[in-house]
Amino acid sequence: NAGVTQTPKFRILKIGQSMTLQCTQDMNHNYMYWYRQDPGMGLKLIYYSVGAGITDKGEVPNGYNVSRSTTEDFPLRLELAAPSQTSVYFCASRPDRVGYGYTFGSGTRLTVV
Amino acid sequence: GENVEQHPSTLSVQEGDSAVIKCTYSDSASNYFPWYKQELGKRPQLIIDIRSNVGEKKDQRIAVTLNKTAKHFSLHITETQPDDSAVYFCAAKGTNFGNEKLTFGTGTRLTIIP
Repeated sequence: NAGVTQTPKFRILKIGQSMTLQCTQDMNHNYMYWYRQDPGMGLKLIYYSVGAGITDKGEVPNGYNVSRSTTEDFPLRLELAAPSQTSVYFCASRPDRVGYGYTFGSGTRLTVV
Repeated sequence: GENVEQHPSTLSVQEGDSAVIKCTYSDSASNYFPWYKQELGKRPQLIIDIRSNVGEKKDQRIAVTLNKTAKHFSLHITETQPDDSAVYFCAAKGTNFGNEKLTFGTGTRLTIIP
């Protein structure tokens, strides 16, 4: 049971490049989330999913896209990277039942130069 | 949507003393309130949580209290140790359909002074 696995751990992108941040969980959780955390700041929700085939926007979705074709995987796509997207990205999942907190992945540290 | 405010933003406490971090929330229908600890460069980790049908919950040196009337909840850490130094985040989860997500506070950087 690996929990929530994120890849890559670090990445440097040039302005205008694109990339996909991978997130996989092996706990059969329907709920999955993507957050970004800017230096010294809190967690802001980018996108979330309540199950395969269902996604919805969070607070800061601009510049990102997601898909959820399986229960296990919830990739985050950055198109046309901008310096403002320099951040640490955390994927998280949780069980269906109310009252169970998120399990976070170890994060992806992204720098856009 | 839900709005969570957290205070203080930084807190320094002498080792062995107690630390208290407070959060307020705006959605009276919120029913789940977790606390996360994030060490430098690491992922947030759940340390304790409370549901809206409970007023207090304890786990060894850590406790959380909830006042639904006032819409605030607090984290209490007693007999603090150097390993307690970290950033702590509170969060609240609403109950409305489609609101299946936590809203986080802005974090409190706790420093334990040896």
